[in-house]
Amino acid sequence: DGGITQSPKYLFRKEGQNVTLSCEQNLNHDAMYWYRQDPGQGLRLIYYSQIVNDFQKGDIAEGYSVSREKKESFPLTVTSAQKNPTAFYLCASSIYVGVTNYGYTFGSGTRLTVV
Amino acid sequence: RKEVEQDPGPFNVPEGATVAFNCTYSNSASQSFFWYRQDCRKEPKLLMSVYSSGNEDGRFTAQLNRASQYISLLIRDSKLSDSATYLCAVNRGSQGNLIFGKGTKLSVKP
Repeated sequence: DGGITQSPKYLFRKEGQNVTLSCEQNLNHDAMYWYRQDPGQGLRLIYYSQIVNDFQKGDIAEGYSVSREKKESFPLTVTSAQKNPTAFYLCASSIYVGVTNYGYTFGSGTRLTVV
Repeated sequence: RKEVEQDPGPFNVPEGATVAFNCTYSNSASQSFFWYRQDCRKEPKLLMSVYSSGNEDGRFTAQLNRASQYISLLIRDSKLSDSATYLCAVNRGSQGNLIFGKGTKLSVKP
């Protein structure tokens, strides 16, 4: 079955560490996204990519980095510069044609906790 | 005005009730509108796309009002299993990425 897979499900990070969250999709979607969800804050866009080897900053990109070397993969690195990384991280993909988004499919998320 | 706003609720309704949620958006150039359902500690799942002409899927009806810049979701004959948080999402003008509301929590009671 086609879908989008995030790993790991839970991740614990020590202060000063960089960690990388994995996101893989086999839906043949061009566009991929990373959001962060905090209680009471809703989903906030970190980075997005509409094509391989290209990506754009979202609303809260500071302290994060991404790459898009393959259509299927869009990993997110949470760097030590991100001061408050504890959150639920959601990866999504979509078909995107012109200015029309046909709706996201989300992965099951990664819960990151700083210890 | 925030880009996308929803009443956080909670909406506490008895089984069988009809409940409606609204979501306002600020960018008149937005073209794509969605309702998502999110269960506790789970990822959001697409419930419905919202079309200009309105659309219905079983007990769920979605409407778009471009003049007043809001979308709505109507749930008829509420079930216990409808208890969840409902997120609206709107594309950011000419960009394809979506802006999400903070969600409206629905609790359906026996």
